[in-house]
Amino acid sequence: AQSVTQLDSHVSVSEGTPVLLRCNYSSSYSPSLFWYVQHPNKGLQLLLKYTSAATLVKGINGFEAEFKKSETSFHLTKPSAHMSDAAEYFCVVLAAAGNKLTFGGGTRVLVKP
Amino acid sequence: NAGVTQTPKFRVLKTGQSMTLLCAQDMNHEYMYWYRQDPGMGLRLIHYSVGEGTTAKGEVPDGYNVSRLKKQNFLLGLESAAPSQTSVYFCASSFSRTGSSYEQYFGPGTRLTVT
Repeated sequence: AQSVTQLDSHVSVSEGTPVLLRCNYSSSYSPSLFWYVQHPNKGLQLLLKYTSAATLVKGINGFEAEFKKSETSFHLTKPSAHMSDAAEYFCVVLAAAGNKLTFGGGTRVLVKP
Repeated sequence: NAGVTQTPKFRVLKTGQSMTLLCAQDMNHEYMYWYRQDPGMGLRLIHYSVGEGTTAKGEVPDGYNVSRLKKQNFLLGLESAAPSQTSVYFCASSFSRTGSSYEQYFGPGTRLTVT
């Protein structure tokens, strides 16, 4: 079985400062990992994904994440937050059977001007 | 392409009423999924389908039924709605293969309130 823990339910940053969203996972095999973003009253959009290629993954809108197997982590970062980054972010692991995704509880990001 | 669409966008039900949520995708995807989203719990899988005519239970299937009569459509039914089913429901679809091209595509959601 697999699970995902997002270590912060809320993160508040000032515009122009770095963003760090922390995610730890557990999986009995080599996982595929994803970050999705959900803006208010919208569906989910894929930010980036790790599928056993390069451990540093670049996504859309300046986000990137690093897969660290020894730490079972997949933290999401962005060097400079923008007001449009205010949203909820989900770290997700893929199960091999049935292509099922397991979601973390989400991190809500607030960006202050 | 419209991608994944959901009908309706909003619905209010009384306890005990029934309803069906419709999900449609135009990407020829084999796999389709129904999730519910509740505050602080991320998305939880209700049921999924690996192809036309097949369905399987997910993490929280009780109180829901599904059908996949056509490849492009995946229906979620509530036979007797309960207040605990108040939630936002998301449909998603994907290709059957895993690997670097894998991605689930999500619909815009249906907000359901049961009073």
